[in-house]
Amino acid sequence: KQEVTQIPAALSVPEGENLVLNCSFTDSAIYNLQWFRQDPGKGLTSLLLIQSSQREQTSGRLNASLDKSSGRSTLYIAASQPGDSATYLCAVWSGGFKTIFGAGTRLFVKA
Amino acid sequence: EAQVTQNPRYLITVTGKKLTVTCSQNMNHEYMSWYRQDPGLGLRQIYYSMNVEVTDKGDVPEGYKVSRKEKRNFPLILESPSPNQTSLYFCASSLYQLAGGREQYFGPGTRLTVT
Repeated sequence: KQEVTQIPAALSVPEGENLVLNCSFTDSAIYNLQWFRQDPGKGLTSLLLIQSSQREQTSGRLNASLDKSSGRSTLYIAASQPGDSATYLCAVWSGGFKTIFGAGTRLFVKA
Repeated sequence: EAQVTQNPRYLITVTGKKLTVTCSQNMNHEYMSWYRQDPGLGLRQIYYSMNVEVTDKGDVPEGYKVSRKEKRNFPLILESPSPNQTSLYFCASSLYQLAGGREQYFGPGTRLTVT
């Protein structure tokens, strides 16, 4: 059964710092991995989608990588800003058309 | 505007009173799904649908029903709600592509309280 883990559970950094969020999964047979952002009490905003055949995707200050063989993905945020404060979730689509989410990393960027 | 809509956004009800949460998307997506989000447990998939009249269970389907009679709509039905179904519910949709290039779009969420 696919399990998705996100480390750390919470992170506090000063503004301007570059940071890395981690997502690991137990079954490497995935179709894709998607990173989301969730603000308190709000819905999910899609950040990046990496297909199983891809190694990374970039959007602005965000870069996500995928290493299927090791069951890991990282989300790199460059030059963090207070507006980046949110919970970041990763989700994998694996066998059976199910989507499995990690518990998320709560990020706080201090001004 | 491409979007997934859910109604109602907030609902307080009593144990045993049947309710339906509606979900609609305007992107002609084949795949639709329901999730619940609970503190400490994250998002868990309840049911999903790969197309009209095709549905299947996610990880936590007990106590829920779904139907997919039209491509754009995927209602979530709680026939006899219980307090343990108090949660934040999300509907999502995406194109169905076996190659894996499917990005899920989420609705704004429905906060349900069962007393």
